[in-house]
Amino acid sequence: KAGVTQTPRYLIKTRGQQVTLSCSPISGHRSVSWYQQTPGQGLQFLFEYFSETQRNKGNFPGRFSGRQFSNSRSEMNVSTLELGDSALYLCASSLAVGREAFFGQGTRLTVV
Amino acid sequence: QKEVEQNSGPLSVPEGAIASLNCTYSDRGSQSFFWYRQYSGKSPELIMSIYSNGDKEDGRFTAQLNKASQYVSLLIRDSQPSDSATYLCAVRYSSASKIIFGSGTRLSIRP
Repeated sequence: KAGVTQTPRYLIKTRGQQVTLSCSPISGHRSVSWYQQTPGQGLQFLFEYFSETQRNKGNFPGRFSGRQFSNSRSEMNVSTLELGDSALYLCASSLAVGREAFFGQGTRLTVV
Repeated sequence: QKEVEQNSGPLSVPEGAIASLNCTYSDRGSQSFFWYRQYSGKSPELIMSIYSNGDKEDGRFTAQLNKASQYVSLLIRDSQPSDSATYLCAVRYSSASKIIFGSGTRLSIRP
């Protein structure tokens, strides 16, 4: 069974631009969560989706948004990028909210 | 007070010994507990999940949960150099709530 797939793996953007990251969950998994990981802050929860509905949201500004499609694939978007948005963005999928979450390889975003 | 607390380490353990990793959490109503392993430059990998008080064993790994004391631990028996990684404790407060991660404990197994 294929794991969680995130694209792209690496991304370099300029301040002020926007970016869209993609996540394909494990087949049959309907819940997708997004996390930001930085050396100073650790793993910070962004949001969680289940059946195309946002179920939980972390403490991030409105520049961070996401959505989930009917096939459970998810995207997250960051607008007006700032230098501090440079991080590893991780997607995790689970069968349902509350179940074990399995992570993708992540997208390394660098904002210059 | 942080919601999920772990000693950042590094925790240095000789090869073949037992490594003991601890985690405390603040919400007494927490229901689901997870341990992840993360190698440098890689994404977290699920090792164990535990939902009820007591011990849960899987190979060389044992997770222990004590809800009354609000702590969860991970024991690694017969530690190997390949166990050197950062171990993340994660807690979900209810079936509908988000998973909160601790900052991780860096484990180093010395030959």
